[in-house]
Amino acid sequence: SQKIEQNSEALNIQEGKTATLTCNYTNYSPAYLQWYRQDPGRGPVFLLLIRENEKEKRKERLKVTFDTTLKQSLFHITASQPADSATYLCALGPNNAGNMLTFGGGTRLMVKP
Amino acid sequence: EADIYQTPRYLVIGTGKKITLECSQTMGHDKMYWYQQDPGMELHLIHYSYGVNSTEKGDLSSESTVSRIRTEHFPLTLESARPSHTSQYLCASSESLSGKYEQYFGPGTRLTVT
Repeated sequence: SQKIEQNSEALNIQEGKTATLTCNYTNYSPAYLQWYRQDPGRGPVFLLLIRENEKEKRKERLKVTFDTTLKQSLFHITASQPADSATYLCALGPNNAGNMLTFGGGTRLMVKP
Repeated sequence: EADIYQTPRYLVIGTGKKITLECSQTMGHDKMYWYQQDPGMELHLIHYSYGVNSTEKGDLSSESTVSRIRTEHFPLTLESARPSHTSQYLCASSESLSGKYEQYFGPGTRLTVT
């Protein structure tokens, strides 16, 4: 069955450093991969989408890479700030049921001043 | 800020009660979804709709039902709430245009069944 793995342990980094989060998947050939940010008690907010034929995507301080051979995506936040503290979810699509997303469990990022 | 709304935000209700969670979006999106999320866990798709009068069950089995009579409205109903239904319920929508895959989420309803 399809499986998406994100580090369930929180990632603690110092302000100004680069945060790197990992998303690994198995039994899946996604056409695209998305990253979302979720704050406590709120719904996820879309950040970036990268397609299977793209290696890298950037948006301001965010960078996403997508390696379909390794079945892995890396999500980087450069010059991290305490306001970046949140849970970050990766999502792959479409899943076997159609044009749906399958979400990972998310990694909590804590940026300390 | 996404134009998708959920009410109530919080609901505490006794076992056996019937409840309806409301979800509305003003973006004109054809596709709408309901997810269930327990604290610290992944989102699980429980229902989705591709348009008016179209509803399908998602990956996670749920005792809830949904309806889609209007494009902007996608309510979720539990006929008889049980403590096992305690969870966060998130509604989302997306465009039907090719290449537009991102989903827009509402703030969620946190349901507690006592």
